[in-house]
Amino acid sequence: NAGVTQTPKFQVLKTGQSMTLQCAQDMNHNSMYWYRQDPGMGLRLIYYSASEGTTDKGEVPNGYNVSRLNKREFSLRLESAAPSQTSVYFCASSEGVSGRETQYFGPGTRLLVL
Amino acid sequence: AQSVTQLDSQVPVFEEAPVELRCNYSSSVSVYLFWYVQYPNQGLQLLLKYLSGSTLVKGINGFEAEFNKSQTSFHLRKPSVHISDTAEYFCAVSDRPGTYKYIFGTGTRLKVLA
Repeated sequence: NAGVTQTPKFQVLKTGQSMTLQCAQDMNHNSMYWYRQDPGMGLRLIYYSASEGTTDKGEVPNGYNVSRLNKREFSLRLESAAPSQTSVYFCASSEGVSGRETQYFGPGTRLLVL
Repeated sequence: AQSVTQLDSQVPVFEEAPVELRCNYSSSVSVYLFWYVQYPNQGLQLLLKYLSGSTLVKGINGFEAEFNKSQTSFHLRKPSVHISDTAEYFCAVSDRPGTYKYIFGTGTRLKVLA
């Protein structure tokens, strides 16, 4: 079991460029999440998908789009990157949607926007 | 809306000494509470969680936490720390069970000194 995998591990973009962060889980989880982590701010939820075919905005969705491609995969797209999007991005998954479940995190993608 | 406060951004402690990392949450009728640990350059992993029942929760690596409803706290403790416990620790609360959203604190960086 690989758990939650993310690609790429690192990325440098110029302002205005676009990119897609990929996430996949092999635990047959229903729910998947995208967070960003910034110093002194903890983790903030960007988007989540409660189940295949559904997505919802989190706390900081502006400038991002997501796709729940299938049960395993949940991608995050930056259409026009801005320096404010420099951050570490984490994908996570959980079994269900009751709020009791443990979240399992990927290793993160470190993004620098110049 | 639910919120989580971790007042200590950094906690230095000598090896084999006890440690307490503090977490307070805003009042709610029902709440699920979590502690996650993040080792350098890794994703988060679950240490322990409180769902219901006994207010003293034991987790991995010798950590435990106590749920105190009257003080809306969920402090993390370890009686004797090791160098390998050096990491960042995040408290999280499930915001209204069933909404799939987890609110994370800003994190406490534990540094264990030899």
